Amino acid sequence: EAGVVQSPRYKIIEKKQPVAFWCNPISGHNTLYWYRQNLGQGPELLIRYENEEAVDDSQLPKDRFSAERLKGVDSTLKIQPAELGDSAVYLCASRSRRRNEQYFGPGTRLTVT
Amino acid sequence: AQSVTQPDIHITVSEGASLELRCNYSYGATPYLFWYVQSPGQGLQLLLKYFSGDTLVQGIKGFEAEFKRSQSSFNLRKPSVHWSDAAEYFCAVASSGNTGKLIFGQGTTLQVKP
Repeated sequence: EAGVVQSPRYKIIEKKQPVAFWCNPISGHNTLYWYRQNLGQGPELLIRYENEEAVDDSQLPKDRFSAERLKGVDSTLKIQPAELGDSAVYLCASRSRRRNEQYFGPGTRLTVT
Repeated sequence: AQSVTQPDIHITVSEGASLELRCNYSYGATPYLFWYVQSPGQGLQLLLKYFSGDTLVQGIKGFEAEFKRSQSSFNLRKPSVHWSDAAEYFCAVASSGNTGKLIFGQGTTLQVKP
């Protein structure tokens, strides 16, 4: 069984530029999460999807962040425009409802200069 | 509100020595508790979880954890540490509902001395 796939693994951009991250969850996992992990911290939830519906986006900075999960499979997280404080690792996870476990991708390390 | 505290930011142990990483949680109802490990440049890998039942749970890579409701703790242990265990360890709590939303501690970095 393939794991959660994320791309790109690394991204360096200048502030005010847009950036997008892509995630392909484990096949059959209906729940998908985006987390942000700042240096030296644990991950913090940005948004949760149940199939194609965003059911918890209370922590997503909606002025500059957006996300979509068309067809309830792949998901994209976008930042426009990026700020210096957005430098972090962005993790995608999907959940096996049967086992109630989240499986994480390798993350995208974003550096905003 | 739910929260997780990992009191030790950094721990160093000698290879072959025993290990205990502390985790304290704050949650009003019965929590779901998890330990994850993150190696440099990698995502998080689930070591073990506690939902109910036996308070001593076994995980992968020889790790175990004990749930103590009276102390609001879920400490991770390993009897003999290997150099490959050097990584960052995260404790997390989830509500017993079906959202799966995880609240993570700030993590403990484990260094293993040869």
